[in-house]
Amino acid sequence: KAGVTQTPRYLIKTRGQQVTLSCSPISGHRSVSWYQQTPGQGLQFLFEYFSETQRNKGNFPGRFSGRQFSNSRSEMNVSTLELGDSALYLCASRKIEQTPELHFGNGTRLTVT
Amino acid sequence: KQEVTQIPAALSVPEGENLVLNCSFTDSAIYNLQWFRQDPGKGLTSLLLIQSSQREQTSGRLNASLDKSSGRSTLYIAASQPGDSATYLCAVRNYGQNFVFGPGTRLSVLP
Repeated sequence: KAGVTQTPRYLIKTRGQQVTLSCSPISGHRSVSWYQQTPGQGLQFLFEYFSETQRNKGNFPGRFSGRQFSNSRSEMNVSTLELGDSALYLCASRKIEQTPELHFGNGTRLTVT
Repeated sequence: KQEVTQIPAALSVPEGENLVLNCSFTDSAIYNLQWFRQDPGKGLTSLLLIQSSQREQTSGRLNASLDKSSGRSTLYIAASQPGDSATYLCAVRNYGQNFVFGPGTRLSVLP
């Protein structure tokens, strides 16, 4: 059974650009959540989607947005990139909203120059 | 607002030792607690999940306990091996909320 798949694995972007990250959850998982991980702030919650609806949102500026498709795949978009957006972006899925166990992908390493 | 801390921040032990990692949280009304390991540059691998009604969970050499009243969980690793070297994170979820992660404990097991 395939795990959570995130693409691409690495990205290098310039300040002011925008970027889209993709996450395919484990088959049958309907909830997808996104996290940002940095050395200084640790793992911080961005948002969670369930059945194409955003169910929860963390404390990030509006430049960070996401969406979920009918096949549960999710994308995260960051516009007007800043140097501080450099981080490992992790996606996690759960089977249904009530199933608590999170399963993570290997992440996308974003570097903003 | 839920806050999660982990002690120690880093730990170095010789192979074969038994060790305990600690996780503390401020809001005891949790729904569940999950322990993860993370290898450098990789995602998180789920180790153990404890529901709020449970006191402990075991998987192989790992045992996690939960004491909601004191806001603490411990991860016990028996007979540590070099392959156990990683960062260990605990995450807590309150009802209707997202997971809140601790900063992690970086473990090095020396051969």
